[in-house]
Amino acid sequence: GAVVSQHPSWVICKSGTSVKIECRSLDFQATTMFWYRQFPKQSLMLMATSNEGSKATYEQGVEKDKFLINHASLTLSTLTVTSAHPEDSSFYICSARDGSSNTGELFFGEGSRLTVL
Amino acid sequence: QKEVEQNSGPLSVPEGAIASLNCTYSDRGSQSFFWYRQYSGKSPELIMFIYSNGDKEDGRFTAQLNKASQYVSLLIRDSQPSDSATYLCAVNPMDSNYQLIWGAGTKLIIKP
Repeated sequence: GAVVSQHPSWVICKSGTSVKIECRSLDFQATTMFWYRQFPKQSLMLMATSNEGSKATYEQGVEKDKFLINHASLTLSTLTVTSAHPEDSSFYICSARDGSSNTGELFFGEGSRLTVL
Repeated sequence: QKEVEQNSGPLSVPEGAIASLNCTYSDRGSQSFFWYRQYSGKSPELIMFIYSNGDKEDGRFTAQLNKASQYVSLLIRDSQPSDSATYLCAVNPMDSNYQLIWGAGTKLIIKP
């Protein structure tokens, strides 16, 4: 099956620093990737949709200058949390759609748990 | 507003019984439907998808789709304690650029 690799799995950083999370599709080309955030005991919240070679589309309420998304190739998307603050502490999950498939299922990375001190 | 509704649970089922999880959706033009399982602290993993009316079976799992009533369900036969997780229903509406609409999830507890 399709594999999406995400890292780092865990990251602890100081307030004010930036953190980059990588998401790679290992055995397929991901024309579209989605970034989610999930707080404890809550559902997935879509942050942005990233299409290869174009600017990401952000959901309402998500600051594009704070959450920088780059999808420079068909196998790699990155999310950079800039000037992180404790309220940004969350579980960030990427997912990818196989561009050769029209069934629409998403494959998820393992997730990155961010703790901002 | 396109919505997907699930009972948050928890749904408690004895080991070996059938667990039945339900989901309704608002967009009548939705094309494909997915069930994901999410263990605590982990990311979701795809269990199965369905896009035709009727039943689709995969091992102990059966997805059922009724487009006229706009509901999709997941049956888990011979439930095991390892099936205890949150089950997320997701729907691919028409013209969505494959952006899935997610239910809030049903927490399932299988009691030994």
